[in-house]
Amino acid sequence: DVKVTQSSRYLVKRTGEKVFLECVQDMDHENMFWYRQDPGLGLRLIYFSYDVKMKEKGDIPEGYSVSREKKERFSLILESASTNQTSMYLCASSFKTGGYNSPLHFGNGTRLTVT
Amino acid sequence: GQSLEQPSEVTAVEGAIVQINCTYQTSGFYGLSWYQQHDGGAPTFLSYNALDGLEETGRFSSFLSRSDSYGYLLLQELQMKDSASYFCAPRGGATNKLIFGTGTLLAVQP
Repeated sequence: DVKVTQSSRYLVKRTGEKVFLECVQDMDHENMFWYRQDPGLGLRLIYFSYDVKMKEKGDIPEGYSVSREKKERFSLILESASTNQTSMYLCASSFKTGGYNSPLHFGNGTRLTVT
Repeated sequence: GQSLEQPSEVTAVEGAIVQINCTYQTSGFYGLSWYQQHDGGAPTFLSYNALDGLEETGRFSSFLSRSDSYGYLLLQELQMKDSASYFCAPRGGATNKLIFGTGTLLAVQP
């Protein structure tokens, strides 16, 4: 069974803090993704990585950065947390399949509150 | 650009059939996925259509028309446990990057 583990289920941080959200997958997937989910806005892609040290911006990268030093781990970094980054953050992973489909496997999410 | 439209809410009764429509616009379209998410849970994969036509998986079927940029998810013999949000997610490109929208909240009533 594929397991995508996010380090925290709930996190409360103060405005201006640097925040690290960690995600680890155990299926040797090449692709890893960070989404945020907000009521009425659905899931929006922040960043994704298709290989170690490789990353691409998603639809809403502003205020975020990522790190992928090892294949199994993908970190989302909020350089200076703001209240508008209060959200549910979902990590996902998949194989890099070219023309074939590889379903995304999601972690259980980290609910981040910035006060 | 890219866009995605699906109904925000659908209500149906147990045992009924419900269809959730999805229209999309994306460059470099590869295929259309469907995901289910129960309240408080993680999205889970349901189906994927790369070619036109109907794909059936048990009580769930998914349809794609590439020429119309349209797909739907068909749920038959609805059960209470099918109450969840359903997301269509077009795949734009070989990187397997999926675009999710706001999803459709399905409420199954007894």
